[in-house]
Amino acid sequence: LAKTTQPISMDSYEGQEVNITCSHNNIATNDYITWYQQFPSQGPRFIIQGYKTKVTNEVASLFIPADRKSSTLSLPRVSLSDTAVYYCLVGDGRLAFGKGNQVVVIP
Amino acid sequence: SQTIHQWPATLVQPVGSPLSLECTVEGTSNPNLYWYRQAAGRGLQLLFYSVGIGQISSEVPQNLSASRPQDRQFILSSKKLLLSDSGFYLCAWSGRAEAFFGQGTRLTVV
Repeated sequence: LAKTTQPISMDSYEGQEVNITCSHNNIATNDYITWYQQFPSQGPRFIIQGYKTKVTNEVASLFIPADRKSSTLSLPRVSLSDTAVYYCLVGDGRLAFGKGNQVVVIP
Repeated sequence: SQTIHQWPATLVQPVGSPLSLECTVEGTSNPNLYWYRQAAGRGLQLLFYSVGIGQISSEVPQNLSASRPQDRQFILSSKKLLLSDSGFYLCAWSGRAEAFFGQGTRLTVV
């Protein structure tokens, strides 16, 4: 049973805010939610991690509703260089990545 | 600060030849270590992970094996490569919050 489900791909225009969703219906009480960004031919890079409500850092915000069964990564004012695959992970010492969400930023 | 080294960056190997990819971590102790493979246009497939010396968990049955002879050394091996072993191999380590990845090895089996 997959721990997370994400849309396969999405497009966004440069300068817009992008909201990337992830479903994790079976999240455990102790699980944190972590998001990574991956560019082609590179390893994923940590973006943000949260447990509940809202977390913000210099690059993104993470919104987690009270039931924690989903989360939304928000990227403000994206640029072309934000085109990448975005992964959400739940748990989990195994660090098993799903297929991720390919985000394409269009000029 | 912590760093992770993975080599080589690219590798072309004939079918049936052996493989050894090495990954080392500096600046931390007792890290969780991981090997991933990524086929072109696909997601990251977790191959092996290790929580300590000699402790290896295999995620999928395959032609590969992993070993952790030292605390900060993780090795991915194969006795005989298959064409299907081609891909981008990534090593990673994790601390309490986030994971850090090596630069990856592009393996082409011909």
